[in-house]
Amino acid sequence: GAGVSQSPSNKVTEKGKDVELRCDPISGHTALYWYRQRLGQGLEFLIYFQGNSAPDKSGLPSDRFSAERTGESVSTLTIQRTQQEDSAVYLCASNYGGGKSGTGELFFGEGSRLTVL
Amino acid sequence: GNSVTQMEGPVTLSEEAFLTINCTYTATGYPSLFWYVQYPGEGLQLLLKATKADDKGSNKGFEATYRKETTSFHLEKGSVQVSDSAVYFCALSRGFKTIFGAGTRLFVKA
Repeated sequence: GAGVSQSPSNKVTEKGKDVELRCDPISGHTALYWYRQRLGQGLEFLIYFQGNSAPDKSGLPSDRFSAERTGESVSTLTIQRTQQEDSAVYLCASNYGGGKSGTGELFFGEGSRLTVL
Repeated sequence: GNSVTQMEGPVTLSEEAFLTINCTYTATGYPSLFWYVQYPGEGLQLLLKATKADDKGSNKGFEATYRKETTSFHLEKGSVQVSDSAVYFCALSRGFKTIFGAGTRLFVKA
């Protein structure tokens, strides 16, 4: 598609339930990122995928969080046994991969707003 | 480790006022620096960037200069408009990871 697409745009769930958030990056972009944005706060890095390399999971806050990506296409972020502190906007971004020089602009989706009751 | 610090908001200005949003960074090597903007109800989008020392990024009347000696990348605009009301994020990219500041909310009054 023309841009990064995320779904659902809004998700309300009960504490303890599992949720899945989906990201469809821009076609041809090898790199895909997930960030979390809590209300009134900055972006918190969660996980990074680059092609077929092992993902950088260093930002995942707990083992309740996991993410998968099929090749260079769609990614799914899964949160198990959701807690109220998981309430946030989850942002996905993609690019061609910055390489060691890190010059790449990120293209963001509009985010998935998660509310855990 | 790498980090970005930007001035806290909100910043409230009248239309046509001069804007400065301060941003300083800590990084090893030579990162690329960015300003992203998030308009109400929209996703983040790149506003401008600079990839090496003394570079000036500019877009939509906004400017920022990569100052390695002061590790800064302050955002400026000479005359803001109501339509500039948004949240502005300073960011650095070193390797594969982009690190963002906390964001500064700007309100521009007519």
